[in-house]
Amino acid sequence: KQEVTQIPAALSVPEGENLVLNCSFTDSAIYNLQWFRQDPGKGLTSLLLIQSSQREQTSGRLNASLDKSSGRSTLYIAASQPGDSATYLCAALLRTGNNRKLIWGLGTSLAVNP
Amino acid sequence: DADVTQTPRNRITKTGKRIMLECSQTKGHDRMYWYRQDPGLGLRLIYYSFDVKDINKGEISDGYSVSRQAQAKFSLSLESAIPNQTALYFCATSESPYSRGTEQPQHFGDGTRLSIL
Repeated sequence: KQEVTQIPAALSVPEGENLVLNCSFTDSAIYNLQWFRQDPGKGLTSLLLIQSSQREQTSGRLNASLDKSSGRSTLYIAASQPGDSATYLCAALLRTGNNRKLIWGLGTSLAVNP
Repeated sequence: DADVTQTPRNRITKTGKRIMLECSQTKGHDRMYWYRQDPGLGLRLIYYSFDVKDINKGEISDGYSVSRQAQAKFSLSLESAIPNQTALYFCATSESPYSRGTEQPQHFGDGTRLSIL
């Protein structure tokens, strides 16, 4: 069964810390991996999308990496701020037979304390 | 204005009622999706549509139906609602990968919180 796992499920850090969120997937036949942010009462906002041919993507204080061989992606947040508090989800687009399927993790709930 | 708009934002209804959730988008994307989100289960795909004439079942389509009325509109119906359909429902859109050569990110609405009593 294809799965995406996010560890930890919850994380609480003081403001200013650099932090890493982890996402692992069970299948190396990956097309891309996406990181999303979800705020309470809101939908998901796409943060970064890494194609299978890429090793990393950067946007501002965010950096996402992809290691297909180990089945892992990390989201690095530099100099965290209280406004970064949200749930972060990763989703892997994996090959399923002749089709593609987007498999979602359950998310990491992040609290950045002032 | 939001690029992906879902209506209603909240709905409480009774078992057995027919419910329609609506989604409209101004992004000009061909692809549209309906998901539900449940605590501990994450996001699960109900239906998706790659263009107006294309409708496909997702992993949990039983008890649901959809209509793609136009490129910009994709509605989800619960013909006879039951309590285990209580969830947060999301509509999403994405650009076709053929225009840029690679899969494009999905863009989500703010969700509809549906409670079935």
